[in-house]
Amino acid sequence: EVQLVESGGGLVKPGGSLRLSCAASGFTFSSYALSWVRQAPGKGLEWVSSISSSSSYIYYADSVKGRFTISRDNAKNSLYLQVNSLRAEDTAVYYCAREVWSSGSYYVYYFDYWGQGTLVTVSS
Amino acid sequence: QTVVTQEPSFSVSPGGTVTLTCGLSSGSVSINYYPSWYQQTPGQAPRTLMYSTNTRSSGVPDRFSGSILGNKAALTITGAQADDESDYYCVLYMGSGIWVFGGGTKLTVL
Repeated sequence: EVQLVESGGGLVKPGGSLRLSCAASGFTFSSYALSWVRQAPGKGLEWVSSISSSSSYIYYADSVKGRFTISRDNAKNSLYLQVNSLRAEDTAVYYCAREVWSSGSYYVYYFDYWGQGTLVTVSS
Repeated sequence: QTVVTQEPSFSVSPGGTVTLTCGLSSGSVSINYYPSWYQQTPGQAPRTLMYSTNTRSSGVPDRFSGSILGNKAALTITGAQADDESDYYCVLYMGSGIWVFGGGTKLTVL
């Protein structure tokens, strides 16, 4: 069974930092790209960042570029998001999601599994 | 800045049919954006419903269908049930590792 379990969220002051983690199990971790997606309270989903299976390709939403850093450790089946210079508008539940890029010989591009999320609250 | 548009809210009667749409603030949505759809109830993680425009994810009932209607992606629910009352999100793959979510549609079944 595929499982993604996030951790590391909490209450942090503006300007502070956190390291979010996503522990994966039930699939060959090193074969999949992964993303972080966040959801502010009462708001919609927002894609934050993605990383390819071998970490060769990394992408960020403009809203977090320069402040957030995504990484992964394929030996530990873990995904990370270092979040720095936090602002009130970064308050959200942060989900990790597995990306699927292909099915057989076809390109598909979607998120097939999601974790339950970890809440980051930025407040003084 | 790319903006993906969805109806903020929609209402459907039990047993009725509803079509939710996913558009672009400028331009048309095509299959080349690989539109996918997700269902979310309060306090829960999103659930994958549909991908590559019209492929149902595993376990999704066939009353959910996807298509391109005009210049938008569409999710149609035929024979709506009470437990379809949820938030629905589309996401478009813009290429080069970039994804853009729509603002979501809150569906009420009453």
